[in-house]
Amino acid sequence: EPEVTQTPSHQVTQMGQEVILRCVPISNHLYFYWYRQILGQKVEFLVSFYNNEISEKSEIFDDQFSVERPDGSNFTLKIRSTKLEDSAMYFCASSEAHGGGPGTQYFGPGTRLTVL
Amino acid sequence: SQQGEEDPQALSIQEGENATMNCSYKTSINNLQWYRQNSGRGLVHLILIRSNEREKHSGRLRVTLDTSKKSSSLLITASRAADTASYFCATDMKTSYDKVIFGPGTSLSVIP
Repeated sequence: EPEVTQTPSHQVTQMGQEVILRCVPISNHLYFYWYRQILGQKVEFLVSFYNNEISEKSEIFDDQFSVERPDGSNFTLKIRSTKLEDSAMYFCASSEAHGGGPGTQYFGPGTRLTVL
Repeated sequence: SQQGEEDPQALSIQEGENATMNCSYKTSINNLQWYRQNSGRGLVHLILIRSNEREKHSGRLRVTLDTSKKSSSLLITASRAADTASYFCATDMKTSYDKVIFGPGTSLSVIP
């Protein structure tokens, strides 16, 4: 069964450094998402992406964050100048085209980001 | 802001019993989804129910949706120890359907 994959599984970085989290969505999906989950807390929406542009973003997704689909398969989240509070699990998700609503979103296993 | 809120926050039951979790939200939605998350792992999609549906079944899972009360319930019948996990509802808004909001989740423990 097709699945969303994410790399790396765990990323450790120093405060102030830039990180790029990578995702390979399911191949026929057109909608892509990033979420984060701080340890012990709920899953928070960051951004959705469709047709090579951001379709929705949350208050969390400020200028520190950016997303890109550099080729036909990868979807990346870049975090510039990381802060301690960026430490979290970051999940990528994708869904098929939909007539109304995002439809079923399939999640990757996540990347655990630790900022020291 | 629109948000799914689950209750109870934590639920502990014996294997074989049924588990019911509830979710409430604030604004009109297109869809409501339920996800499971095992400790430290990713999110597994369980069921999606659309705003024009009232009930859906999938194996031992039954989901209901009451849009007049802005609430949903997830029933797991004949629970197993392997059902131990956190369960989240996730909603999208009619006016912003690409943005999915997760509730804080219910932590379910099924005791063998």
